[in-house]
Amino acid sequence: GAGVSQSPSNKVTEKGKDVELRCDPISGHTALYWYRQSLGQGLEFLIYFQGNSAPDKSGLPSDRFSAERTGGSVSTLTIQRTQQEDSAVYLCATVAGGNYQETQYFGPGTRLLVL
Amino acid sequence: AQKITQTQPGMFVQEKEAVTLDCTYDTSDPSYGLFWYKQPSSGEMIFLIYQGSYDQQNATEGRYSLNFQKARKSANLVISASQLGDSAMYFCAMRERKGAQKLVFGQGTRLTINP
Repeated sequence: GAGVSQSPSNKVTEKGKDVELRCDPISGHTALYWYRQSLGQGLEFLIYFQGNSAPDKSGLPSDRFSAERTGGSVSTLTIQRTQQEDSAVYLCATVAGGNYQETQYFGPGTRLLVL
Repeated sequence: AQKITQTQPGMFVQEKEAVTLDCTYDTSDPSYGLFWYKQPSSGEMIFLIYQGSYDQQNATEGRYSLNFQKARKSANLVISASQLGDSAMYFCAMRERKGAQKLVFGQGTRLTINP
């Protein structure tokens, strides 16, 4: 596809369940970022991938959160034992290379609601 | 640490008027990029305009221009001839050259265009 895609677009889950969120980057984009946007707030950084490596995981809020990227392409963000405070929109963004001047292009996001 | 401040939670403007959305930033890295994104009610993040820290001229993209005052560390977005479709949340963001080059966002400004 031409843009970043994410699935599912919406996810409702019960407290304590695990969820997986998927991001398909723009073809050829080597850098991939996950952000979280809580209701009415700005975006906060979660984790950064360059290729399949995650040199910066500093934004992950707890050890219940993990992410991986395979083949330098698809990334999965996993939240274990979900809590109500995990409810937010999870956005993925990708960049062609490692230049800070390049634009990050965002996917449509996954809206997660934990009941 | 890098920081973005948007002091206007909401702005109301008449259609066809120009509007300025404020953004100030703080960083110790001399190499950085400043970005503005639009987020309509549908939720996607749409890239609008970019300004590099070494750019001598203000960036322009159609009806969008960026009033970059480096000494004041401000990067205000100017929208000329506003349209009803400009109603949305607007986020200012910064990427530093060092580290993960993640985007750091302000809290956003909700712009409403009145007919």
